[in-house]
Parts: sequence; C-alpha cells; structure tokens
Amino acid sequence: QVQLVQSGAEVKKPGASVKVSCKASGYTFHNYDITWVRQAPGQGLEWMGWISPYNGYTNYAQNLQGRVTMTTDPSTSTAYMELRSLRSDDTAVYFCARVIYDGTYPPGHWGQGTLVTVSS
Amino acid sequence: EIVMTQSPATLSVSPGERATLSCRASQSVSSNLAWYQQKPGQAPRLLIYGASTRATGIPARFSGSGSGTEFTLTISSLQSEDFVVYYCQQYNNWPAFGGGTKVEIK
Repeated sequence: QVQLVQSGAEVKKPGASVKVSCKASGYTFHNYDITWVRQAPGQGLEWMGWISPYNGYTNYAQNLQGRVTMTTDPSTSTAYMELRSLRSDDTAVYFCARVIYDGTYPPGHWGQGTLVTVSS
Repeated sequence: EIVMTQSPATLSVSPGERATLSCRASQSVSSNLAWYQQKPGQAPRLLIYGASTRATGIPARFSGSGSGTEFTLTISSLQSEDFVVYYCQQYNNWPAFGGGTKVEIK
C-alpha cells in the first residue's frame, strides 16, 4: 500500500532553514507528483507547491517563491521540502501528499505531518 | 487566484441527523472539487473527488454534489466520529482550500 513517512519535528530560530523529508513506498515513485501542504496551529490548509519526481519540475506558491525549494532523490524514493529565512508565522505542520491517480486528481495519500516550530 | 469559501464556519447537528456543508468557488472549477475530513492531530482524509465520487473506503453516508462554483457535502446520518472539521479544495487551477467547516454536536 502507498505510504509516505515524514521526518520528525523540528525547532528552529528565526532566519534559519529547515528541510523536511518524505519517504515514499508502495508505488513507483517517479510516476506521481509530490505535493506539500502546511497548516498553522488552529488554522486551515495551505497549498505550498509540488514537484514531479519524473523530471524535477516544480511549481511553488507565489507567497513562498524565493524561500522554498522542493527536491527529490529517486534512488531512495524520498522527497524534500526546504524552507529558508524562517519566520514565526512559518510555524506549522507540514504535510507531503500524493494524488490518488495520475492526472487531474486531488491528493489522497498523505504523510503523517512534521511540526516545524520557529521560535527565538 | 480562485478563492474557496465554505459555509457555515461551524455547524451544530445532533447525532443521527443530516449535515449539509457548502463550498463556493470565486470562478468555475468544473467538477475538480474535493472534500476532506480532518480529525485533530491527523492528516486530512480524502472523502470525495470529482465533486461527487467517493474515495476508496468512504462510507455511503458521505455524498457530494455540484459543479462550476457551488458544491455541497452531505452527511446523511451523523456518527460520533463525524464531528470534526471538513475542507473543500479545488484542483482545477492552482489548488486552493476553503477555510473549513467544523461540525459540532448540538
């Protein structure tokens, strides 16, 4: 079965960077885009962007352009999301996700989430 | 940018009753609309995609309808585990989520 397992919680100071990993199993990694979504404490869901493991194509949310980088390592079926110049309002649970089928479909397989806390 | 608006923000319903949740898009998203359920401390769970297709393993009490800009999620008979938060999401263009509806016990 499809599984996405994320790295553990992180605590960072303002201005630092964080890199969250998402290890996929149970399917052919390069066949499906990986999406990243975040959720601030007590708030709704925010789409951050996605990456194609097949060709490395990325598409980022405008409000994160210049601070976020999504990458993949096909040799380990792992996706990464790096966020730089962290601010207090970046404190959130970060989720990776995969669409249910190839094509225009929503994410139906999710990682367990990684809490990133930004605090001085 | 397409803005998704959910209403109401909080819905108070008695167990066993029907719940109707609404989602409106600022422009047409065709049928590229999904509904998610989120329990505290968990990742979202896909309930409905294509506006009306239940995802794998989702009970028949959950149903979706609508197209274009107006969508509805109906839970026909609320069970105790259904009193959580629900989000709609369009995936027609740059994906966007609604603000969520919390279903609480009346």
